[in-house]
Amino acid sequence: RKEVEQDPGPFNVPEGATVAFNCTYSNSASQSFFWYRQDCRKEPKLLMSVYSSGNEDGRFTAQLNRASQYISLLIRDSKLSDSATYLCVVNRRGGNKLTFGTGTQLKVEL
Amino acid sequence: GAVVSQHPSWVICKSGTSVKIECRSLDFQATTMFWYRQFPKQSLMLMATSNEGSKATYEQGVEKDKFLINHASLTLSTLTVTSAHPEDSSFYICSADGTAETQYFGPGTRLLVL
Repeated sequence: RKEVEQDPGPFNVPEGATVAFNCTYSNSASQSFFWYRQDCRKEPKLLMSVYSSGNEDGRFTAQLNRASQYISLLIRDSKLSDSATYLCVVNRRGGNKLTFGTGTQLKVEL
Repeated sequence: GAVVSQHPSWVICKSGTSVKIECRSLDFQATTMFWYRQFPKQSLMLMATSNEGSKATYEQGVEKDKFLINHASLTLSTLTVTSAHPEDSSFYICSADGTAETQYFGPGTRLLVL
């Protein structure tokens, strides 16, 4: 089983739609959680950290459920510029090594 | 701030040659740098952790003699792919430790081995 699992998509949605991505992780010792965004042929860029209390940044909301080892990302009012691959990333306890999921591809269309 | 550069951005080489990729933290000092590899439609896979002034720590399955890492200063780490073969063709990305939970990624280097 992969340490971080995501649905690869692609998710094709119209502009303005709300879209949700899910991610599960297998290592209960994971300590920190993130969503990164990666554009084609570019490096990943941090979108937001994820906390159990949930956190919101504009149109983006992230949520962590430690009991279920489940992470989610909600994008509201999606824009064309949101088209990218969204990577679920976990950080192991006691270190700073990041484990990346394979990513979920989002395509926002007119 | 927190800019990481990589050089070269892309390289094409013949099979059997060695290729060196540089990763620099431009405006901060990085005790630790990480090297990742990403094949098409796959996730970033950590290859090794590079610590300034000491030997790199390699992930399971990564050949240390093939992927030589040197971290001689707080702003520079290099990855040398020795005797590169077509299966080494990939996107190589470095990152540098920022705060406790943040890594700053370089723009990546595309390697194509013919």
